[in-house]
Amino acid sequence: LAKTTQPISMDSYEGQEVNITCSHNNIATNDYITWYQQFPSQGPRFIIQGYKTKVTNEVASLFIPADRKSSTLSLPRVSLSDTAVYYCLGSPGSGSARQLTFGSGTQLTVLP
Amino acid sequence: NAGVTQTPKFQVLKTGQSMTLQCAQDMNHEYMSWYRQDPGMGLRLIHYSVGAGITDQGEVPNGYNVSRSTTEDFPLRLLSAAPSQTSVYFCASSSPGGPRTGELFFGEGSRLTVL
Repeated sequence: LAKTTQPISMDSYEGQEVNITCSHNNIATNDYITWYQQFPSQGPRFIIQGYKTKVTNEVASLFIPADRKSSTLSLPRVSLSDTAVYYCLGSPGSGSARQLTFGSGTQLTVLP
Repeated sequence: NAGVTQTPKFQVLKTGQSMTLQCAQDMNHEYMSWYRQDPGMGLRLIHYSVGAGITDQGEVPNGYNVSRSTTEDFPLRLLSAAPSQTSVYFCASSSPGGPRTGELFFGEGSRLTVL
């Protein structure tokens, strides 16, 4: 079981870039690294996913070093609406399925 | 395409009562799971299923039962409700592989209060 470790909380100001790092020392070889965002009273929703190196989409970038023991979610120029809890976890690749366990997540608070 | 549907959205129980939280998905996902989330905490896995007829325990299974008779449905049963089970419950489903590998799709949550 891949256990993840993240900072409990982070504060930032509007317009800044925010980087949230997740440690996942035991990630399985065929696991993808997936990040989710959760607003109060809602279920988490997918933000970004990667296997190695760098992935970028319209909302974030994900950096994964060659050893895959950690990953960094980068949110460019955050706004107040980015205040949420962010989770990372390993997602099994095609052909495998197992329990998917969330860590405690990182509470990001964006200040005006 | 409704995605993951949970019912009821809100429920109040008395200690000792039993009830079932319903979860249905229309995406033909093999994997379904139940999480609970307590105030200020992350999601904890209760039970999960990797396919019809197959269920297994997660991190906090005590006091809950599940079954998976069809691919679409994954109900969560509280056998004898206790105040410690007051929480928000989320059902989620996913399918290994696909354009977003193993992406979890969540329902809107069911808020349960046990008095």
